[in-house]
Amino acid sequence: DGGITQSPKYLFRKEGQNVTLSCEQNLNHDAMYWYRQDPGQGLRLIYYSQIVNDFQKGDIAEGYSVSREKKESFPLTVTSAQKNPTAFYLCASSGQGYGYTFGSGTRLTVV
Amino acid sequence: GENVEQHPSTLSVQEGDSAVIKCTYSDSASNYFPWYKQELGKGPQLIIDIRSNVGEKKDQRIAVTLNKTAKHFSLHITETQPEDSAVYFCAARFENSGYALNFGKGTSLLVTP
Repeated sequence: DGGITQSPKYLFRKEGQNVTLSCEQNLNHDAMYWYRQDPGQGLRLIYYSQIVNDFQKGDIAEGYSVSREKKESFPLTVTSAQKNPTAFYLCASSGQGYGYTFGSGTRLTVV
Repeated sequence: GENVEQHPSTLSVQEGDSAVIKCTYSDSASNYFPWYKQELGKGPQLIIDIRSNVGEKKDQRIAVTLNKTAKHFSLHITETQPEDSAVYFCAARFENSGYALNFGKGTSLLVTP
């Protein structure tokens, strides 16, 4: 079945560490996105990529980095520069029809 | 920047009643307006969407209406059931954000038996 997979489901980060969240899709979608979700804040755009080897900053890109070396993969690194990283992270992809398919999310907690 | 406002933030209805959630957007060039349902601990799922050349779209108990002049769109759920309880997000596609979706802050819908 086609879909989008995020891993891990839960992730714990110590102060000063970088961590990487995985996002893989087999839907043959060109565009991929990362959103952060906090209680009462909705979904805020971190980074997006419309084609391989190209990506753009969203509204809250500071403290995050991404790469898009393959069409299927769009990993997100939460760096030590992100001062408040505890949140639910959602990856999505979209094809020609505009609508997103979301992954099941990664819950990141700072310990 | 461009944004999407969503109201109400919480909504409680009795089973069988209707629920309406409203959103407004700021970019008059927006042309795509989806609605997502998110259950606890899961990713959002697309439930219905509408494009700017259409005023209304229905899918069984769910409908979306769009008023481009007023820049608002609404989700209507009829004959609500307990399994409709979830958080609902509206979104709009903005040209100046590379066509990424901008989301409202969500409405927590509770349907009581």
